[in-house]
Amino acid sequence: KAGVTQTPRYLIKTRGQQVTLSCSPISGHRSVSWYQQTPGQGLQFLFEYFSETQRNKGNFPGRFSGRQFSNSRSEMNVSTLELGDSALYLCASSLAGFDPGRDIQYFGAGTRLSVL
Amino acid sequence: AQSVAQPEDQVNVAEGNPLTVKCTYSVSGNPYLFWYVQYPNRGLQFLLKYITGDNLVKGSYGFEAEFNKSQTSFHLKKPSALVSDSALYFCAVRDSVQRDNFNKFYFGSGTKLNVKP
Repeated sequence: KAGVTQTPRYLIKTRGQQVTLSCSPISGHRSVSWYQQTPGQGLQFLFEYFSETQRNKGNFPGRFSGRQFSNSRSEMNVSTLELGDSALYLCASSLAGFDPGRDIQYFGAGTRLSVL
Repeated sequence: AQSVAQPEDQVNVAEGNPLTVKCTYSVSGNPYLFWYVQYPNRGLQFLLKYITGDNLVKGSYGFEAEFNKSQTSFHLKKPSALVSDSALYFCAVRDSVQRDNFNKFYFGSGTKLNVKP
């Protein structure tokens, strides 16, 4: 069974540009969560999508947005990039049924974004 | 508010010695607790979880964790460390109450484990 796939693995952008990251979850998983990982802040929750709807949201500015398609694939978009957006962006998928104690998040390898 | 603390940025241990990586948590309701490991340039890999029942949970690669409700801790342990265990370890908690934070994980800041030969 294929794991969580994130594309691209690496991105280099300049300030002011926008970027779109993609995540394909494990087959059958309906929930996709996005995290930002930086050395100083650790792992910060961005948002979670379930059945094409944003179900949870972290404390990030509106420049960070996402969406989920009917096949559960998800995209994350960051507009007007800032230097501080340089980070590893991780996607995690889970069944997200209604037994949260038994539902495990499985992570992709991440997309490393560098903003110059 | 839900939170997880990993008080040690780094843990150093010699190969063959036991290791402990500490984690404390704060949640409303009963906690669902998880440990993940991250190798360089990789995503997080699930190690083990505590939901209910036995306080000692066994997971992948010989790791285990002990849940202590009175101390609100969930320390990761391994009886004999390997050099290949060197990685970044994350503790995470998820509230058992299905409110606005359903399926939202709270991660600790991570602990770098260095196992020296």
